Amino acid sequence: AQKVTQAQTEISVVEKEDVTLDCVYETRDTTYYLFWYKQPPSGELVFLIRRNSFDEQNEISGRYSWNFQKSTSSFNFTITASQVVDSAVYFCAFDNYGQNFVFGPGTRLSVLP
Amino acid sequence: DAGVIQSPRHEVTEMGQEVTLRCKPISGHDYLFWYRQTMMRGLELLIYFNNNVPIDDSGMPEDRFSAKMPNASFSTLKIQPSEPRDSAVYFCASRGRNEQFFGPGTRLTVL
Repeated sequence: AQKVTQAQTEISVVEKEDVTLDCVYETRDTTYYLFWYKQPPSGELVFLIRRNSFDEQNEISGRYSWNFQKSTSSFNFTITASQVVDSAVYFCAFDNYGQNFVFGPGTRLSVLP
Repeated sequence: DAGVIQSPRHEVTEMGQEVTLRCKPISGHDYLFWYRQTMMRGLELLIYFNNNVPIDDSGMPEDRFSAKMPNASFSTLKIQPSEPRDSAVYFCASRGRNEQFFGPGTRLTVL
């Protein structure tokens, strides 16, 4: 069965620090999608990225970057120069093309001023 | 596009009452998902549809829960009868080519 692990339950950093959120998944599938979502205190789930298992290129979007390593089944998320507005719960999720959708337990990030 | 629309945003009801949650997906998206989020269990997939057809409802907790998608622009999740343990935030999401967007959620409280 598929499983997504986010080992860091809570992380606190000071503004302007870089922070990496870990995501490790388990699957026997060779084709799948991986996602990251942000859930700020207001409660909505904000889509950040979807990555296809065929594409191991790292991606950068502003202060956000993602490192996908199929060899270690990891899809880590880094925020550079963190800001208070980055404080939220971040979820990593797995989808094997419509058969299983699994969310990790989330990592609560607190960015202190 | 207005994004995924859910109604109501908040629902308070008494145990035993029927509850209907509504969702309008993003136009053109062919997948629709219903999730439930609680502190204890996190985000759980309840059911999803592809082209209005239910594909997997294995996450639906019990027969008191049912979901329909009569057309590409509307879906409902019904709980009958409701119980206090059903209290949670229920999210609807729709998927397009490269993304999966969530609605704002319905916070359900069953007294």
